[in-house]
Amino acid sequence: GAVVSQHPSRVICKSGTSVKIECRSLDFQATTMFWYRQFPKQSLMLMATSNEGSKATYEQGVEKDKFLINHASLTLSTLTVTSAHPEDSSFYICSARDLRRGNPYNEQFFGPGTRLTVL
Amino acid sequence: RKEVEQDPGPFNVPEGATVAFNCTYSNSASQSFFWYRQDCRKEPKLLMSVYSSGNEDGRFTAQLNRASQYISLLIRDSKLSDSATYLCVVNSGNTGKLIFGQGTTLQVKP
Repeated sequence: GAVVSQHPSRVICKSGTSVKIECRSLDFQATTMFWYRQFPKQSLMLMATSNEGSKATYEQGVEKDKFLINHASLTLSTLTVTSAHPEDSSFYICSARDLRRGNPYNEQFFGPGTRLTVL
Repeated sequence: RKEVEQDPGPFNVPEGATVAFNCTYSNSASQSFFWYRQDCRKEPKLLMSVYSSGNEDGRFTAQLNRASQYISLLIRDSKLSDSATYLCVVNSGNTGKLIFGQGTTLQVKP
């Protein structure tokens, strides 16, 4: 159980275009999803916390107007990178909390990631 | 100072060796601790949670020292398949956010 999917797995786009990435919890309900970004040889950096039915909470230094997050249902959150530029090229990973299990250790399940390349 | 610090390595060890990774965290309010494994160009996968009393899962042993804000991971009898980056992860107090260390790279050689 506790499977998280992401789509697409890889995207290449031209500078200035917008890219939407979907994160789905396939077999559980996720009231909270997290979006991370990972540059080469660096660790995951949290970008924002996405709560179902409410506005996302962004980390310091992350532009909310550039990285639009929507969490309209308990199984889907989307991240849209607007007007993408080459410096936005990165590995974007989502994770979801399985609150149904009453997990006291705050385990998160990660999606397989989306590799974005902006030309 | 980073919230979670790890020695990035790489650690190059022969098969069968025992290797230990260390991690320190700065937020004394942190409540949950984990070791994740990340293979190249893949998502992180939970290796094990770290309990206050220390815990073992097969060849892997994790320990937590709250007083020193220090976490360790010991891998015994290293296998080639253990080659990966090991991420020390701490929850950020009550917010539910996970803070990742830079990761320690392990290369197990034949």
